[in-house]
This record gives sequence, C-alpha cells and structure tokens, in this order.
Amino acid sequence: DAKTTQPTSMDCAEGRAANLPCNHSTISGNEYVYWYRQIHSQGPQYIIHGLKNNETNEMASLIITEDRKSSTLILPHATLRDTAVYYCIVKAGGTSYGKLTFGQGTILTVHP
Amino acid sequence: EADIYQTPRYLVIGTGKKITLECSQTMGHDKMYWYQQDPGMELHLIHYSYGVNSTEKGDLSSESTVSRIRTEHFPLTLESARPSHTSQYLCASSDPRGTEAFFGQGTRLTVV
Repeated sequence: DAKTTQPTSMDCAEGRAANLPCNHSTISGNEYVYWYRQIHSQGPQYIIHGLKNNETNEMASLIITEDRKSSTLILPHATLRDTAVYYCIVKAGGTSYGKLTFGQGTILTVHP
Repeated sequence: EADIYQTPRYLVIGTGKKITLECSQTMGHDKMYWYQQDPGMELHLIHYSYGVNSTEKGDLSSESTVSRIRTEHFPLTLESARPSHTSQYLCASSDPRGTEAFFGQGTRLTVV
C-alpha cells in the first residue's frame, strides 16, 4: 500500500469549508484513496473513496489531482461534530480490502 | 447505520483473568478484523478472518487469539490478562465489494 502524508492538525471555523490535504506520491494505478474519520476514540467511520475522478456524497467531496499524487477531502460546511481525526488511506480494492493501515491522521478541530 | 456490535464497551479486570471480547455483525460479511489502539495512538491490525474457520494474525503481534465458527461472530480472547493488554479493541467487517469497512464502537479494556 502506498504511503500517505497528512498534516498533524488543522483548525476550521464552524460553517466554513474544511479542506484536508493528503499526499500519496507513490500511489499505483490500482490503488484507491479512502478517507475515514474517528471521533473521540469511537470506531472509525468511512467517509468517501475515489480512484481518479472527483467524488461527492452527503458527507464530503474528494478531489484527486490529475496525476493522483495528492488529494483533498472537503467538508463543505464544517460543524462542531466534525471535530475528529481524519485518516487518508491508499489501498487497492478487492480481496485484501479491509486490512487498513492507519497512520497518524489529521486532527481537525472545528471551533465556534 | 452499521450493524456491527461489540460487548462490553468497557471492562476493568484483574491480572490473570481470562476474558473474551465479543464482536458480531448482521450484514453477512465474510471479512472481519480486530484492531488495537492505545490512547492517542494509531490503530493496528492484530487479527483478521476471511470467512468461517479462517483466522490470520495481523501486522501487530498480539497475545490474544480469535475464532470464527460462525459468519456473524468473531470473538477475541485473552487467556491471562496483563496490564500491558490495557487498550481499546476495535472490531470491523468489510463488504464483499471491498469499498467500505464498518467498525464497532470498541471495547476499552483496563487490566489492573
């Protein structure tokens, strides 16, 4: 699995967009970019994933650069409940999926 | 909402006791996992299973054991608990397409 690099922490004002970057310069062609978050030591929660196209769901948007070496998770209107650790994980899908390698992630703090 | 449950949520137990942490899911997923997370630290995979009667050790060595007799259950056992086993244990399962992993709320174990 390709290695990812994320900032240790970020702040965001409530109601503003939170843009969380992730660098994955060694990503290979069959690897997806997944984002999970963990709120205060609860179980991690899946947010979104993508291969090369930008993706959007009810929680967030994922923007992947054309060369796929980096991506940005966007929470369009952050709330206090979005305060969590956000993990960017690069992994091939299919049979081995689920054996996730979690790094340190980015601690996002949303403040009033 | 994910249908994966862990019991107990919290457990304080004396050294030398045998304990079993329960994990069950109602989604019919073949793949299940156990992760260990010390406070403020990364999650590490300690066990996984790709189906009934299949169990494998994960990336982080653990003195715990697991069993998979039924698809929906994946219990973790410590034969003789020690203070070094104090941690949070998170159970997960993943869907057949390999697009998302579902995590339980975790069991916070304290061995005194």
